[in-house]
Amino acid sequence: QQQVKQSPQSLIVQKGGISIINCAYENTAFDYFPWYQQFPGKGPALLIAIRPDVSEKKEGRFTISFNKSAKQFSLHIMDSQPGDSATYFCAAYYNNDMRFGAGTRLTVKP
Amino acid sequence: DVKVTQSSRYLVKRTGEKVFLECVQDMDHENMFWYRQDPGLGLRLIYFSYDVKMKEKGDIPEGYSVSREKKERFSLILESASTNQTSMYLCASRPQSRREAFFGQGTRLTVV
Repeated sequence: QQQVKQSPQSLIVQKGGISIINCAYENTAFDYFPWYQQFPGKGPALLIAIRPDVSEKKEGRFTISFNKSAKQFSLHIMDSQPGDSATYFCAAYYNNDMRFGAGTRLTVKP
Repeated sequence: DVKVTQSSRYLVKRTGEKVFLECVQDMDHENMFWYRQDPGLGLRLIYFSYDVKMKEKGDIPEGYSVSREKKERFSLILESASTNQTSMYLCASRPQSRREAFFGQGTRLTVV
């Protein structure tokens, strides 16, 4: 039972374009929504996170949009760069219950 | 810098062998986790531990056990390895006071 559904599975974007990855969750008890970035051969690392009392959070070129009523959140990467090519995971937390999406492999073409 | 170290990057084991995957963290974190990562399935939680000698089952505990005798070390044990346990295994730790989880570099296990 996948509690966090992520799409698309893969994404190809031109350099300078906007990358958008979407996630939906089921459990309304989740109270923290991070995005992790994973480069090949490395473990995931925290990129940006949001709490459900906020609708948007921006850090540099990365923005999370959060829609509590729809139980959806998304990651926007503005001015995408080849160095952003990685696998991105959304996650949802409640206490020690950390659930991850299936991942999106992003390729940014130069 | 928080460091989560997994003992092996690559491991090849035979079917039926008992396999130990070790994870050590150096930041006195209370919580530690074992995930397996498979294409299209993301990270699935096998077990987690919120204190020494404490453990909780995750979504896919069958065929696995864990041990946490010391706070810094969390071991994943495959009692009798099978080919369907071929996967990337990721260990993570998280302090009780923060939400950010820190991951190790992963162990790619192949069972032949």
